[in-house]
Amino acid sequence: NAGVTQTPKFQVLKTGQSMTLQCAQDMNHEYMSWYRQDPGMGLRLIHYSVGAGITDQGEVPNGYNVSRSTTEDFPLRLLSAAPSQTSVYFCASSYSYRRGSSYNSPLHFGNGTRLTVT
Amino acid sequence: ELKVEQNPLFLSMQEGKNYTIYCNYSTTSDRLYWYRQDPGKSLESLFVLLSNGAVKQEGRLMASLDTKARLSTLHITAAVHDLSATYFCAGWLDTGTASKLTFGTGTRLQVTL
Repeated sequence: NAGVTQTPKFQVLKTGQSMTLQCAQDMNHEYMSWYRQDPGMGLRLIHYSVGAGITDQGEVPNGYNVSRSTTEDFPLRLLSAAPSQTSVYFCASSYSYRRGSSYNSPLHFGNGTRLTVT
Repeated sequence: ELKVEQNPLFLSMQEGKNYTIYCNYSTTSDRLYWYRQDPGKSLESLFVLLSNGAVKQEGRLMASLDTKARLSTLHITAAVHDLSATYFCAGWLDTGTASKLTFGTGTRLQVTL
């Protein structure tokens, strides 16, 4: 059982370049999300999805795009990288998200992508 | 919007001592989570707390939830070096139009001999 798989593990970009961070889960989870982690700021939600074809913004969505064409995949796109996007990015998924759900699973996190923008 | 505050941000404690990490949140949360993160690693789920008065224990860690006070605590009993890590609490809120998990800034725990 692979869980949540993120690629790449490390990436260096130059300002203005674009790239896609990949995230895949094999647990048939409805809910998927992207967080960025910066020193002293905890984890901040970028975008999330409650199912294929449905996405929404989190706390810090600017500069990032997402799509969810399948249950398994939730890629994060940086269209024009900026130094402020230097961070560690985590993808996470969960079986349930609805209020009152009897199956209250935690978010399962991938191993992260360390991105540096110069 | 849910806001989550943890304190302390940094905690240095001796092996064998007890201590508590506090997590306050600003509005009603559906669930409260505790995670552990080792340096350079991903986050590992420790506890999920659903209702008022919920208490869960795993080894030397015990988490509790007081929804009326909007407070969760993570109590460490007789700390050992292996517990050194950063601990995050996070609150889940599903409003029907948005479903988000909001994290506190984390508590870095250092257990010394």
